Amino acid sequence: NAGVTQTPKFQVLKTGQSMTLQCAQDMNHNSMYWYRQDPGMGLRLIYYSASEGTTDKGEVPNGYNVSRLNKREFSLRLESAAPSQTSVYFCASSEGNRARHSNQPQHFGDGTRLSIL
Amino acid sequence: QKEVEQDPGPLSVPEGAIVSLNCTYSNSAFQYFMWYRQYSRKGPELLMYTYSSGNKEDGRFTAQVDKSSKYISLFIRDSQPSDSATYLCAMSGKSGGSYIPTFGRGTSLIVHP
Repeated sequence: NAGVTQTPKFQVLKTGQSMTLQCAQDMNHNSMYWYRQDPGMGLRLIYYSASEGTTDKGEVPNGYNVSRLNKREFSLRLESAAPSQTSVYFCASSEGNRARHSNQPQHFGDGTRLSIL
Repeated sequence: QKEVEQDPGPLSVPEGAIVSLNCTYSNSAFQYFMWYRQYSRKGPELLMYTYSSGNKEDGRFTAQVDKSSKYISLFIRDSQPSDSATYLCAMSGKSGGSYIPTFGRGTSLIVHP
């Protein structure tokens, strides 16, 4: 049972390049999330998707877009990468019909380490 | 002041010690409390999940919640070098119509042989 799978694991981009981070879960969870983790800042929510077909902004959405492709997959896109977006990006999923009313804990992937030069 | 405060450490202890990790919070709406363990270059892994006040035990780990003091703890008994990791607390409640958790910044634990 793979859980939450993120690809790629590492990536280096140049400023202005675009990129899509992929995430897939095999736990049949309705809710999915994208976080970034920076030293001293902890986990910060970028976007989340309560269910297939819905997405909502989190704490730090600027510079990012997301797509909930289907129940399993939730992608994060950087349209024009900036050095401030250098970070480790984590995808997570949780049970529940809607994130707004889901108290179930999240399960995380192992992250994508993104460097922007 | 952040909603969830957690000392970043590092906390260094000898093998076999009892470890106490703590978080304080300010939002009285929090009802669900979680502890995650994160090894270097890995994602957070759920360790404990509790609701409201009280204790929950799982093997060498005990989670304790004191809602009156807005204080939660994770105790690790007979600590092992393999427990060396960053421990994140997280908590959620129906705040603003959402249960999306708020995370602490994590405490780095080092257990030396």
